[in-house]
Amino acid sequence: GAVVSQHPSRVICKSGTSVKIECRSLDFQATTMFWYRQFPKQSLMLMATSNEGSKATYEQGVEKDKFLINHASLTLSTLTVTSAHPEDSSFYICSAREASAADTQYFGPGTRLTVL
Amino acid sequence: DAKTTQPTSMDCAEGRAANLPCNHSTISGNEYVYWYRQIHSQGPQYIIHGLKNNETNEMASLIITEDRKSSTLILPHATLRDTAVYYCIVIPNTGNQFYFGTGTSLTVIP
Repeated sequence: GAVVSQHPSRVICKSGTSVKIECRSLDFQATTMFWYRQFPKQSLMLMATSNEGSKATYEQGVEKDKFLINHASLTLSTLTVTSAHPEDSSFYICSAREASAADTQYFGPGTRLTVL
Repeated sequence: DAKTTQPTSMDCAEGRAANLPCNHSTISGNEYVYWYRQIHSQGPQYIIHGLKNNETNEMASLIITEDRKSSTLILPHATLRDTAVYYCIVIPNTGNQFYFGTGTSLTVIP
């Protein structure tokens, strides 16, 4: 149980285009989902917290207009990187917290974004 | 921000126990200790968590000191597949966010 998927696993795009990443909780309902970014040889950095049916809460320094988050259902959250640039190239990871399981977060496998 | 301190790296011989320490000297009474690990280019994997008592599951054991200022994750019989970065995270029991520190890079040596 407690499986989280992400799609796509890898994406390469041209500078200036937008990219959408999906995060799904496959066997549980997630009232809260989180988005992280990880640069090479660095730790995970929390970008935003997404609660189902409400606006996401962004961490300081993360541009909400550039990283659009939608959490329309209890099993799906999406992150859209708008007008992507090479500096947005990174490993994006989502996690989901089960509604009934306190604070344990279950992580997706990550999405490798490369912006040319 | 993360409130934990972990060694940057450790080695462990295959088949031996791996003991990974974590210092969380400013932990509050309602804060849990969580352990995750991240194998290269994958998402973090949940290992174990605890509040006061020692915990054990099929993956590992968690030993928390009586004053709760530090803990140790024990992998009883390390295998090559246990090579990963191990993160110790402290959070209150109110559903707050995880802030990852730098973790410990464990290398299991044949």
